[in-house]
Amino acid sequence: SQQGEEDPQALSIQEGENATMNCSYKTSINNLQWYRQNSGRGLVHLILIRSNEREKHSGRLRVTLDTSKKSSSLLITASRAADTASYFCATGEGNTPLVFGKGTRLSVIA
Amino acid sequence: ETGVTQTPRHLVMGMTNKKSLKCEQHLGHNAMYWYKQSAKKPLELMFVYSLEERVENNSVPSRFSPECPNSSHLFLHLHTLQPEDSALYLCASSQGRQWGPGEQYFGPGTRLTVT
Repeated sequence: SQQGEEDPQALSIQEGENATMNCSYKTSINNLQWYRQNSGRGLVHLILIRSNEREKHSGRLRVTLDTSKKSSSLLITASRAADTASYFCATGEGNTPLVFGKGTRLSVIA
Repeated sequence: ETGVTQTPRHLVMGMTNKKSLKCEQHLGHNAMYWYKQSAKKPLELMFVYSLEERVENNSVPSRFSPECPNSSHLFLHLHTLQPEDSALYLCASSQGRQWGPGEQYFGPGTRLTVT
């Protein structure tokens, strides 16, 4: 299975600190995506990184991809209470649907 | 607002009822998905429609029946459900890309409770 596995399962930090979440997967991919989900709501796409890219930025988000280690990380800088959510990585290959991991639950304490 | 709407947002139904969930996307995407999200479980892909054709059906029980009348609408028909079917049902849409699956846009979900 190419399912992504996020690590840690849960993370609690103070507002203003940086939050780092990791994702590992098992097979080759075309792209890897990160999503956020607020409690009981739909997932929101954050960032997509292609397999030939190593790093991507979007506002306070920074995503890295290491295809040799089959891993990715999501860094949220200067976290805010509003960043409290679950974060999922999803791997994509060819025409097959995305495969989502189990998510990391982030709590940002004001 | 992601451009994907779902109705109803909440649904309580008995095990003998028949109901339908509706999803509509206003993004011009060519693929639509149904997911089930239960507490403490990963997101489960149920059905995929690409260009209105069902391309994936992940061993979902027949008490769930999808329908995709056109590229903008997706339904999930429910009948004789079990209590373990209580979950958040999410609809999503995407546009296929040459370099792998595109980003998915999710609706807000329908919280289903089966009593």
